[in-house]
Amino acid sequence: DAGITQSPRHKVTETGTPVTLRCHQTENHRYMYWYRQDPGHGLRLIHYSYGVKDTDKGEVSDGYSVSRSKTEDFLLTLESATSSQTSVYFCAISSTREEQFFGPGTRLTVL
Amino acid sequence: QQQVKQSPQSLIVQKGGISIINCAYENTAFDYFPWYQQFPGKGPALLIAIRPDVSEKKEGRFTISFNKSAKQFSLHIMDSQPGDSATYFCAASFGSSNTGKLIFGQGTTLQVKP
Repeated sequence: DAGITQSPRHKVTETGTPVTLRCHQTENHRYMYWYRQDPGHGLRLIHYSYGVKDTDKGEVSDGYSVSRSKTEDFLLTLESATSSQTSVYFCAISSTREEQFFGPGTRLTVL
Repeated sequence: QQQVKQSPQSLIVQKGGISIINCAYENTAFDYFPWYQQFPGKGPALLIAIRPDVSEKKEGRFTISFNKSAKQFSLHIMDSQPGDSATYFCAASFGSSNTGKLIFGQGTTLQVKP
């Protein structure tokens, strides 16, 4: 998976609890992205980063925040998880802003 | 304006047949159109991509056909094999002129029967 790891790979949590997902890359790519995948919706962009400390919102950013303090790490935080955030979350990286390499995904279940 | 519509939702093809997946978009500012392949439990992987100044791109058994006037593009898989069974996503973005945000279609689950 092109030097991308995501942790945890699976998580079950309860409504209202905070959750942080981590994406780690060893490729030194500038651009990093968080997507969620839901049946019938394909993949939808949550947030993205175009450099250390430089982030911006995607199309489904409500309820999510991100941080990038190092080139290699991009964190996605659900401040107070809801059942609608049950999904599979994918991190992607890119050096060209075009070809994006995806991580293995994190399956999150919010009860 | 930023949607990408993909069809069919699912597709069953016999081994050796041609698989065709279609996508349509509305925003004429899109300038990069990739196709991703995803196997169960894995992340999507780039399969092939095209820019709007080209009407067709072929890589092995995979071909993208692009119709700029109709704002449609399609993926053709020739001589489909059971190993091609996967979910396919089309996408569109503003490419290098923007931050590379991808807008994905809804996905097509392809099953190739032996």
